[in-house]
Amino acid sequence: QKEVEQNSGPLSVPEGAIASLNCTYSDRGSQSFFWYRQYSGKSPELIMFIYSNGDKEDGRFTAQLNKASQYVSLLIRDSQPSDSATYLCAVKPNNNDMRFGAGTRLTVKP
Amino acid sequence: EAQVTQNPRYLITVTGKKLTVTCSQNMNHEYMSWYRQDPGLGLRQIYYSMNVEVTDKGDVPEGYKVSRKEKRNFPLILESPSPNQTSLYFCASSPLDSPLHFGNGTRLTVT
Repeated sequence: QKEVEQNSGPLSVPEGAIASLNCTYSDRGSQSFFWYRQYSGKSPELIMFIYSNGDKEDGRFTAQLNKASQYVSLLIRDSQPSDSATYLCAVKPNNNDMRFGAGTRLTVKP
Repeated sequence: EAQVTQNPRYLITVTGKKLTVTCSQNMNHEYMSWYRQDPGLGLRQIYYSMNVEVTDKGDVPEGYKVSRKEKRNFPLILESPSPNQTSLYFCASSPLDSPLHFGNGTRLTVT
């Protein structure tokens, strides 16, 4: 079982819709969770991160954690074509070593 | 400007010719790491370092070496590159228990 799993997609949503991205993780002791956005050929850039104590909302983005089921989600409201990218989920177990999923490719159609 | 700088951005080389990809950060971060990214496989960790003179293997360390003699620098060394090391490489750094900051990447082709 991979440590962090994501559906590779592609996930396609129309402009203005809500895009929902999910990932599951295997290490129940993980304490911090991250979402990165990566455009083709570019480096990953941090969108937001949450700790095990709660969800977070930042503008159009909301990150949610379900510890019992060991999954993390990212919701993008009012999706824009510029949101089209690959979204990487990452998890930090206690040893400070960040583990990445393979990413979900999102396409927002005008 | 706070940044992680990798060089070179692009590199084409031949099998067996030793090469070094440099990585430098100006944010005084303790943690530094190297990843390779291949289609469908996501980011796979090669080596990481928690601090000066402390390095550990990641998931795919074979064929790579690193050193951390100074806090700001974390070079990746390929002693004898092979075609299966053709990939996109990223260096990243962070304070402990914080998100990673990534460099711009190095696209390596080994023929």
